[in-house]
Amino acid sequence: NAGVMQNPRHLVRRRGQEARLRCSPMKGHSHVYWYRQLPEEGLKFMVYLQKENIIDESGMPKERFSAEFPKEGPSILRIQQVVRGDSAAYFCASSPPSRAGGEQYFGPGTRLTVT
Amino acid sequence: AQRVTQPEKLLSVFKGAPVELKCNYSYSGSPELFWYVQYSRQRLQLLLRHISRESIKGFTADLNKGETSFHLKKPFAQEEDSAMYYCALRTSGAGSYQLTFGKGTKLSVIP
Repeated sequence: NAGVMQNPRHLVRRRGQEARLRCSPMKGHSHVYWYRQLPEEGLKFMVYLQKENIIDESGMPKERFSAEFPKEGPSILRIQQVVRGDSAAYFCASSPPSRAGGEQYFGPGTRLTVT
Repeated sequence: AQRVTQPEKLLSVFKGAPVELKCNYSYSGSPELFWYVQYSRQRLQLLLRHISRESIKGFTADLNKGETSFHLKKPFAQEEDSAMYYCALRTSGAGSYQLTFGKGTKLSVIP
């Protein structure tokens, strides 16, 4: 089992561009979580998804951010019209369907830099 | 809202010395507490959780509800323990899934 995969590992975008971050959960996992880590901060919850459903997006900024987890393929975190303040490390985690919020396995993260 | 505080940004100890990484939390209900570790250039991984009450790599942590603490301890530090350590909390009850993290403590073990 390759573990949670995230790509790209590093992403550079100019202000105003779109950023797409991808997360492939561990095999057999159907729960995906996205966290954001700003410099010198801890990880902060953004959104929790199951296949084709957003369960909790209470940590998502109200504008420009969206997430999906389609029936087939990876989960996508999309940031439109990026600004410098979006520069951060974005982590994805997954957990098995037996219990939501069970041990979460983390991916290596995507480091987004907005210039 | 729940909150996790790790008061030390950086902790340096000599090899063989005892280690204690502090974690305090605030939450009105009954939380689940975790310690995650991130070694250099590796992904975040679960070190231990309070409900399992086990010792991993010589580390232990006891949930003290009176002091709302979940400090991580190891009697004799090893060089390979150098890493970032994050304390995290998950709230109880239906729909509990998101983790609330502290800002982390960087442990440096001096040979």
